[in-house]
Amino acid sequence: SQQGEEDPQALSIQEGENATMNCSYKTSINNLQWYRQNSGRGLVHLILIRSNEREKHSGRLRVTLDTSKKSSSLLITASRAADTASYFCDREYGNKLVFGAGTILRVKS
Amino acid sequence: EPEVTQTPSHQVTQMGQEVILRCVPISNHLYFYWYRQILGQKVEFLVSFYNNEISEKSEIFDDQFSVERPDGSNFTLKIRSTKLEDSAMYFCASRESGGAWPYNEQFFGPGTRLTVL
Repeated sequence: SQQGEEDPQALSIQEGENATMNCSYKTSINNLQWYRQNSGRGLVHLILIRSNEREKHSGRLRVTLDTSKKSSSLLITASRAADTASYFCDREYGNKLVFGAGTILRVKS
Repeated sequence: EPEVTQTPSHQVTQMGQEVILRCVPISNHLYFYWYRQILGQKVEFLVSFYNNEISEKSEIFDDQFSVERPDGSNFTLKIRSTKLEDSAMYFCASRESGGAWPYNEQFFGPGTRLTVL
């Protein structure tokens, strides 16, 4: 299977705290993309990290990629209530995205 | 900022009816995709489209489904005879180029919620 696991399945934190989400995958990838989905709505692209990159930043987001361990992590610093959403780590195989079940993040104010 | 748009936002249809979901990809993008998400489940790849033909499709994308780029801007997904289990959110996505170098992201539309009664 090309799918991996996202960890944790759900995360509840206080506003201002950092949130870390992890994902793993099983076979070689072209790149790995993180998306956010607010309840029942569309998918918003957050960050793309290429297979030859190890770390990438965008505002309060930091993504790392460890190809030797076939894993990635997303760190959201200084979380806000508006960060409450589902976060998906999507592996790119060939020309399509394979979505996992995601991590449901709840940020309490 | 350019974005992918989809119409309608919500479509209700009777089982057995044909539906056409419409998408307008970002104008300079070359690759187009459809994904779907059944309520409470994962987002699933349906089909990718490039150069006026399907480049890849999943097992879900059977003979009841078809895609078309009827003009220079629209990209449609047709379901010929809808079933109850087709009820889902359907997302269109586009990207500037394919999975080869340079890698770039897929941009998703807001989705069309299809309800089959």
